Amino acid sequence: NAGVTQTPKFQVLKTGQSMTLQCAQDMNHEYMSWYRQDPGMGLRLIHYSVGAGITDQGEVPNGYNVSRSTTEDFPLRLLSAAPSQTSVYFCASSYSGGSAKNIQYFGAGTRLSVL
Amino acid sequence: AQSVAQPEDQVNVAEGNPLTVKCTYSVSGNPYLFWYVQYPNRGLQFLLKYITGDNLVKGSYGFEAEFNKSQTSFHLKKPSALVSDSALYFCAVRDPGGYQKVTFGTGTKLQVIP
Repeated sequence: NAGVTQTPKFQVLKTGQSMTLQCAQDMNHEYMSWYRQDPGMGLRLIHYSVGAGITDQGEVPNGYNVSRSTTEDFPLRLLSAAPSQTSVYFCASSYSGGSAKNIQYFGAGTRLSVL
Repeated sequence: AQSVAQPEDQVNVAEGNPLTVKCTYSVSGNPYLFWYVQYPNRGLQFLLKYITGDNLVKGSYGFEAEFNKSQTSFHLKKPSALVSDSALYFCAVRDPGGYQKVTFGTGTKLQVIP
């Protein structure tokens, strides 16, 4: 069982470039989220989705887009990369009900540097 | 708005000694509280949660947490620390009113000294 898979693991971009961070889960979870982790700031929610076709903004959505066309995939798009987006990005998923409700399963992360 | 505070950036404890990692929270309504652990270059892993019921919650790897409503705290504890417990620990609170808009604390680095 692969769980939550994020690609790539590392990426270096130049300011102004765009890219997509991929996230896929094979647990049939309804909920998926994107976080960024910065030193001393914990994890901050960027965007989240409660099901295919439904997304919403989190705490720090500016500069990022998401879509959810399938239950399995939740890509995060950086429209025009800025040095302030240098961070470690985590994707997470969870069930909407049952005993495992609210427990988030995290991918291994994507470490992004914007020069 | 909900919030979580982890007042200690780092906690050092000798192997075999009990450990406590502190967390306080602020949320409207009944809190949904969590502890996660992060090992170097890895994603977060779920340790335990409090939704309702007993104030002492038991979780993975021998960890437990005590929910104290009057002090709005949810401290993580373990009776006897292991060197392998050294990691970054995050407390989190979920918005009880809707989707899991989960707010994480800033994390506490636990260092267990052999």
